Amino acid sequence: NAGVTQTPKFRVLKTGQSMTLLCAQDMNHEYMYWYRQDPGMGLRLIHYSVGEGTTAKGEVPDGYNVSRLKKQNFLLGLESAAPSQTSVYFCASISRQGYQETQYFGPGTRLLVL
Amino acid sequence: GQNIDQPTEMTATEGAIVQINCTYQTSGFNGLFWYQQHAGEAPTFLSYNVLDGLEEKGRFSSFLSRSKGYSYLLLKELQMKDSASYLCAVLYSSASKIIFGSGTRLSIRP
Repeated sequence: NAGVTQTPKFRVLKTGQSMTLLCAQDMNHEYMYWYRQDPGMGLRLIHYSVGEGTTAKGEVPDGYNVSRLKKQNFLLGLESAAPSQTSVYFCASISRQGYQETQYFGPGTRLLVL
Repeated sequence: GQNIDQPTEMTATEGAIVQINCTYQTSGFNGLFWYQQHAGEAPTFLSYNVLDGLEEKGRFSSFLSRSKGYSYLLLKELQMKDSASYLCAVLYSSASKIIFGSGTRLSIRP
């Protein structure tokens, strides 16, 4: 198992450019999440998905869109990047076995918007 | 709101014990996660508590009181490698949201 992978690992964008971040998991998990983490802060939930074809807004959804066309992939899109979106983006998926839940994180994507 | 509060920074001595507290709003609560995050790395899962009480995993233990909206992470026999941020996160069952606190940066001194 590769676990949770993210592509790309690092990207520099100019203001107004668009891009898509890809998150993939090979553990057959239903639930997937996108977070952003700014220096010295915790993770803030952008969007999440409870299954293929479903998405929902988190705490900070503005400026982002997501899609979950396939169970294993969760895409995060920035239509028109802004400097305020400079951050580290983490994707995660959840394993549920009875009452026990385990959340696995990808390695992160570092995005710099100039 | 879903305020999740934990101390910003803590310092402890190698070999000692430290307790990191986390409080949260109880409405819609389903369970609580603890993570460790070293600088520049992704968070790694430590524990998930659903029921009241203490769960022990080696040097790390996690406690939950659902009625009080309170949890703590207990680290024993501290090692230098335990210097990291510790993140508390709550699963809210109504929407399957997982919301994080701002994290506690723990520094271990020799």
